[in-house]
Amino acid sequence: DIVMTQSPDSLAVSLGERATINCKSSPSVLYSSNNKNYLAWYQQKPGQPPKLLIYWASTRESGVPDRFTGSGSGTDFTLTISSLQAEDVAVYYCQQYYNTPPTFGQGTKVEIK
Amino acid sequence: QVRLQQWGAGLLKPSETLSLTCAVYGGSFSGYYWSWIRQPPGKGLEWIGEINHSGTTNYNSSLKSRVTISGDKSKNQFSLKLSSVTAADTAVYYCARCSLRSGYYYNWFGPWGQGTLVTVSS
Repeated sequence: DIVMTQSPDSLAVSLGERATINCKSSPSVLYSSNNKNYLAWYQQKPGQPPKLLIYWASTRESGVPDRFTGSGSGTDFTLTISSLQAEDVAVYYCQQYYNTPPTFGQGTKVEIK
Repeated sequence: QVRLQQWGAGLLKPSETLSLTCAVYGGSFSGYYWSWIRQPPGKGLEWIGEINHSGTTNYNSSLKSRVTISGDKSKNQFSLKLSSVTAADTAVYYCARCSLRSGYYYNWFGPWGQGTLVTVSS
């Protein structure tokens, strides 16, 4: 199975400041035939199911605010929240869909400083 | 807009069989893969398995010996059975839909069901 490792496990950011979450896959989730990274990001608030934010490592799902940006390729990926809002407090997960079983990172908890 | 609603027993004893059902509203059951994913309290997400409209299934090898996923196209529903449960199977169980793009399936997930907490305790 592909192992997904996120860092940090938690971070506290001031309102309006940038939050950066890292995700590393082992091995790579870049599919060479189409040059696409099979990597998604989700946001999960307490008591709710995860919500899809980004797929193909950088494509924002419809309706997701543009302060959420995904980047990276191969084995190293980043989710950036450019200006943290109160409603962004949540746990964020990366997930690979390069092969079966799809696997998730352990999650990164984002809080307000 | 597609909505998933799930239900099933929330309290089981060790060795019993977990049984959950997920209904699909507002969209087609055919043409997609439908997954079950679980999340132990305070922990991360684990994919259990999937089924498509034709009944083709794929399972996580870590659970394969105990899992059965079935579907009912006539009711737009699919179900999960997990046998011989232990305390380690205590989790919130979610149903979810994969993505379909240009005729290809991709296992990023959305929408999701509301989740069902299943507790295994004697």
